[in-house]
Amino acid sequence: DAKTTQPTSMDCAEGRAANLPCNHSTISGNEYVYWYRQIHSQGPQYIIHGLKNNETNEMASLIITEDRKSSTLILPHATLRDTAVYYCIVREVGGYNKLIFGAGTRLAVHP
Amino acid sequence: GAVVSQHPSWVICKSGTSVKIECRSLDFQATTMFWYRQFPKQSLMLMATSNEGSKATYEQGVEKDKFLINHASLTLSTLTVTSAHPEDSSFYICSGLPAGTRTGELFFGEGSRLTVL
Repeated sequence: DAKTTQPTSMDCAEGRAANLPCNHSTISGNEYVYWYRQIHSQGPQYIIHGLKNNETNEMASLIITEDRKSSTLILPHATLRDTAVYYCIVREVGGYNKLIFGAGTRLAVHP
Repeated sequence: GAVVSQHPSWVICKSGTSVKIECRSLDFQATTMFWYRQFPKQSLMLMATSNEGSKATYEQGVEKDKFLINHASLTLSTLTVTSAHPEDSSFYICSGLPAGTRTGELFFGEGSRLTVL
């Protein structure tokens, strides 16, 4: 079962920041937070992941609360091509640990 | 990022026939590959975990005799849907876990859409 809770859907205006929240209150100490997105009829695309520190890459920033019970994915300047379903997943690193997808957040970026 | 290729991208078959879907890691070795199924407007559902050179581990409720998985090399895993029926019509997606990865990042294929008539 998915260990995360996300809003079903969100809207964002093009050019504005999109802030996608995720609750993972039962996360354990050795579990990372991963974010993937899926554009319609394509395979999921990795975005970013983190353990406890905030992370940033060319796609997004990940802000993890100090207690690690929630996080926020930030797309700093959303474009129409960012319209997708965004999945927040907690998972251990190592071994053959699988990714279990929840329902995700459907982000719609509009002009 | 690393590239995973699936073939075919889409396939239409008659009920009762078998269909094979290939998943290749093009620029990395994948000791583990995962197979997912996705129905319209739903999330990805993990079907099985495939380890190179050994039998796949299936998730609860997934019939291993219907969905045959072979992972004979570090760059190729195949999923065969045997005696396909219309209810098997779905989007099948594979992902590869690079050998020796420290980040645990999975790389996904583009998916294969199966339609059973």
